[in-house]
Amino acid sequence: EVQLVQSGPAVRKPGQSLKISCKGTGYRFSNYWIGWVRQMPGKGLEWMGIIYPDDSDARYSPSFQGQVTISADKSVNTAYLQWRSLKASDTAIYYCARNLDFSSGANDAFDFWGQGTMVTVSS
Amino acid sequence: DNQMTQSPSSLSASVGDRVTITCRARQAISIYLNWYQQKPGKAPKLLIYAASRLQSGVPSRFSGSGSGTDFSLTISSLQPEDFATYFCQQSYFLPLTFGGGTRVDIK
Repeated sequence: EVQLVQSGPAVRKPGQSLKISCKGTGYRFSNYWIGWVRQMPGKGLEWMGIIYPDDSDARYSPSFQGQVTISADKSVNTAYLQWRSLKASDTAIYYCARNLDFSSGANDAFDFWGQGTMVTVSS
Repeated sequence: DNQMTQSPSSLSASVGDRVTITCRARQAISIYLNWYQQKPGKAPKLLIYAASRLQSGVPSRFSGSGSGTDFSLTISSLQPEDFATYFCQQSYFLPLTFGGGTRVDIK
């Protein structure tokens, strides 16, 4: 059974750093792109970026480029999303999701999702 | 960015109703359009990919159609478990973009 299990909720102060994780099981983790999606409170979905764990090739949305770092460690089947200096506006739920076949066109869709990680940034 | 516009933003319907949600892309995206369902407090779930392909395990009352700039998601007979928010997402251009969502609630 394919599963993506994310790290638990995090509370930080503005200016602090944070790294959240997403562990994949039940499939060959290295060979599927993993994307990150933000959902601010009561709002819609925003694509942040995506990574191919086998070679750590990462692509970012211009809206998030330079604001976050996406990484992966295929030896432990885990992808990461990292901030160096959080802002209050980073308060949101962050989802990781497996992509069926990124950039293939027709099969480019997120078929399995993690449960989400709530990040709260408050002084 | 290729903006995706969904309509309506919300609707009220009864069990058994036929419901159609539309999604319009600012630039043509061929058939590279996906639909997701999200229930409160839960992660999104893939329903339809490539405009009309039903994801494994999704009930056949869900269907998708369209190409180019105009797409639709239809629920042929609304069931109690279908009350949720639905999002479209294009996979033709980077950055990938989602529609604003359509909330379906009980009339």
